Amino acid sequence: DVKVTQSSRYLVKRTGEKVFLECVQDMDHENMFWYRQDPGLGLRLIYFSYDVKMKEKGDIPEGYSVSREKKERFSLILESASTNQTSMYLCASTLRGGNQPQHFGDGTRLSIL
Amino acid sequence: RKEVEQDPGPFNVPEGATVAFNCTYSNSASQSFFWYRQDCRKEPKLLMSVYSSGNEDGRFTAQLNRASQYISLLIRDSKLSDSATYLCVLPNTGFQKLVFGTGTRLLVSP
Repeated sequence: DVKVTQSSRYLVKRTGEKVFLECVQDMDHENMFWYRQDPGLGLRLIYFSYDVKMKEKGDIPEGYSVSREKKERFSLILESASTNQTSMYLCASTLRGGNQPQHFGDGTRLSIL
Repeated sequence: RKEVEQDPGPFNVPEGATVAFNCTYSNSASQSFFWYRQDCRKEPKLLMSVYSSGNEDGRFTAQLNRASQYISLLIRDSKLSDSATYLCVLPNTGFQKLVFGTGTRLLVSP
């Protein structure tokens, strides 16, 4: 079974802090993704990566950056957290190639005060 | 038009009922899709993958209607444990991304 592990289930941070969300997958997947999910808006893609050190902007990259130094790890960084970044953050991974389902981590519920 | 559209529901059904959800999509080139299930405050989990016109797995049947550009999920003999949000998901024509619907909520009552 694919295992995607996110570093925290719940996180509370303050406005202006730099926040790191970590994601690790154990299936040697090439592609990794970061989403946020808000009520009524569904899943929105923030950034994705198709290889080490490669990254592509998703639909809502503003205020975020990412890092992929190793194949198994994909980090999401909130450069200066703001209250509108309070959300559920989900990491996913998949094999390279079209039409592949994504496998999700448990999610991190982030609150910015 | 949104790439993927779903009726948000909720669909309220009694145990044992048969219920169907539809999902419409705008990309006529789509040839495969997925249904994910998401429980409250949990991550989405893959329910079914469909790479042709349809797929059946136990009580669940998924079908793709290319002519009308909609996808359906049929659940027979509903169980209380089927209560969840069901997400319709299609591959994007872009770089190996998926496009997620906002989900249809199902509530199965005793």
